[in-house]
Amino acid sequence: DAGVTQSPTHLIKTRGQQVTLRCSPKSGHDTVSWYQQALGQGPQFIFQYYEEEERQRGNFPDRFSGHQFPNYSSELNVNALLLGDSALYLCASSFRQVLSGANVLTFGAGSRLTVL
Amino acid sequence: QKEVEQNSGPLSVPEGAIASLNCTYSDRGSQSFFWYRQYSGKSPELIMFIYSNGDKEDGRFTAQLNKASQYVSLLIRDSQPSDSATYLCAVNDYKLSFGAGTTVTVRA
Repeated sequence: DAGVTQSPTHLIKTRGQQVTLRCSPKSGHDTVSWYQQALGQGPQFIFQYYEEEERQRGNFPDRFSGHQFPNYSSELNVNALLLGDSALYLCASSFRQVLSGANVLTFGAGSRLTVL
Repeated sequence: QKEVEQNSGPLSVPEGAIASLNCTYSDRGSQSFFWYRQYSGKSPELIMFIYSNGDKEDGRFTAQLNKASQYVSLLIRDSQPSDSATYLCAVNDYKLSFGAGTTVTVRA
């Protein structure tokens, strides 16, 4: 049973470029959430996708956008990259939106983005 | 005020001792609470969750919740070097809001 898979694992971009990160949720999960984790900080919620729509959004600018496909996989796009966008980007999946003791977030290994 | 705050680390404990981690949250309506462990360079992995006031034990880990005080804690008994990691407290409000984490080092 495959867990959450993310690609690429590492990438380096320069300021002003655009990046696309990809995520396949755990089998049986239909909801994908994206988090940004800067060095030494906890994960910060970017947004959540369910039924191919953005359902919840954290305090991130419009440069951050996403998409969910009919097979539940998801993409995170970041435009006009800034140095401050350098971070570990984590994808997490769950079944339905509501998290509870029985329905927890499962994280992928992350995509580490470095912006030069 | 941050949604979730954790006691600042790092926390260093000798092998076999109890590590005590604390977390407070701002949303009184929060219903469920999670503790994740994150090894350096890895993604967070769930240790345990709690949603009722009181204690919940799972092996060497005990989570404690006090909703009136908006406080949740994690105790690690008989700490082992393999417990050395960053521990993240998370609160559920249709998304998980994480604290900054507390780094624990267990000294052999």
